[in-house]
Amino acid sequence: GESVGLHLPTLSVQEGDNSIINCAYSNSASDYFIWYKQESGKGPQFIIDIRSNMDKRQGQRVTVLLNKTVKHLSLQIAATQPGDSAVYFCAEKGGLGTSYGKLTFGQGTILTVHP
Amino acid sequence: DAGVTQSPTHLIKTRGQQVTLRCSPKSGHDTVSWYQQALGQGPQFIFQYYEEEERQRGNFPDRFSGHQFPNYSSELNVNALLLGDSALYLCASSSVGTGHTDTQYFGPGTRLTVL
Repeated sequence: GESVGLHLPTLSVQEGDNSIINCAYSNSASDYFIWYKQESGKGPQFIIDIRSNMDKRQGQRVTVLLNKTVKHLSLQIAATQPGDSAVYFCAEKGGLGTSYGKLTFGQGTILTVHP
Repeated sequence: DAGVTQSPTHLIKTRGQQVTLRCSPKSGHDTVSWYQQALGQGPQFIFQYYEEEERQRGNFPDRFSGHQFPNYSSELNVNALLLGDSALYLCASSSVGTGHTDTQYFGPGTRLTVL
């Protein structure tokens, strides 16, 4: 079936470094993508989203890149801080009429930031 | 502005019992989605409610049912509990109507343990 997956399950970086978390998706009909951050014992927290008519979107210290040709999504975190340590999930939603409302999540990447 | 709230925080049940989990959406949101998150996995879509009707359903048995009230709050009911139902149950809200947003904002979750 259709799925969203991650290339790397864990990522360790030093404080101040830039982090890149990757995600591959298989549903070519997906038109909306979201990155969530989940800390232990908490619900997923929205970080940034992007629609399929864009290839880049920037937020505060975060950038999401979308490559529809190879069905690849990435999250870049600038100047990573210890508070960024968490599990990061990418999620996708298909167009209306295909998977209205349903988010399909990947397995997640554990980001550990060392002081 | 209150975010998504869920109750209870934790719950312990025995096999065969029934459980009801509750969710209040973010202010201004009219759509509630429920997800099950097993330990070490990404959230899995259970179903979504809009206008008090189930609009979309994931691959979950009929033991899982829900309801949405006129004030947009929602309940998730699980009957005949199995050990495998132990998970974090997440509620997410979004808006289809006025102020439409595809972004789903998650609550803190209810940790269900089935013994």
